[in-house]
Amino acid sequence: DAKTTQPPSMDCAEGRAANLPCNHSTISGNEYVYWYRQIHSQGPQYIIHGLKNNETNEMASLIITEDRKSSTLILPHATLRDTAVYYCIVDTGTASKLTFGTGTRLQVTL
Amino acid sequence: GAVVSQHPSWVICKSGTSVKIECRSLDFQATTMFWYRQFPKQSLMLMATSNEGSKATYEQGVEKDKFLINHASLTLSTLTVTSAHPEDSSFYICSAREGTLRGGYTFGSGTRLTVV
Repeated sequence: DAKTTQPPSMDCAEGRAANLPCNHSTISGNEYVYWYRQIHSQGPQYIIHGLKNNETNEMASLIITEDRKSSTLILPHATLRDTAVYYCIVDTGTASKLTFGTGTRLQVTL
Repeated sequence: GAVVSQHPSWVICKSGTSVKIECRSLDFQATTMFWYRQFPKQSLMLMATSNEGSKATYEQGVEKDKFLINHASLTLSTLTVTSAHPEDSSFYICSAREGTLRGGYTFGSGTRLTVV
């Protein structure tokens, strides 16, 4: 699996947009970018995934650069409940094993 | 959406005893499930891939005789920690993926194991 690089921690004020970057410079053409988050003492939660195009769902938006070497997860209006560790993973999505990096610990503050 | 149920959510056991953790896919069939372990302030580490009807595939460094995995049906995988020791205390998490589309993996809520 391709490796990803994320900043270890970020802060965001409640109500503001949280932009979480991820570098995946060695991503292969058939690998998707997945984002998960893990709230303390819970199992990870799927957020969004994409291949080439930008994606949006009810939770977040995913912006993937044209060369696919990096991406940004956007939480448009962060709340305190969004405080979690966010993991960016690249995977082919064919029931292969997911490998987690260290993620970004997002702290949303008042 | 897809739901994975994990039980128990927490367990305390004595050293030397065995503990079984169940992972069920509630509304979909999963031919493959995954077991992870997470120590405090660390990321998830894949332990093994559980395959329905066949032997599990263990990651390097994971003792297959200590962490017994059984995937007897398309909706149930179990992880048994045998002869548990305090160093086995950790957060164990299972996951599965629904269908063949490139959707996300669904994770269980995790099991906090404390060996005393």
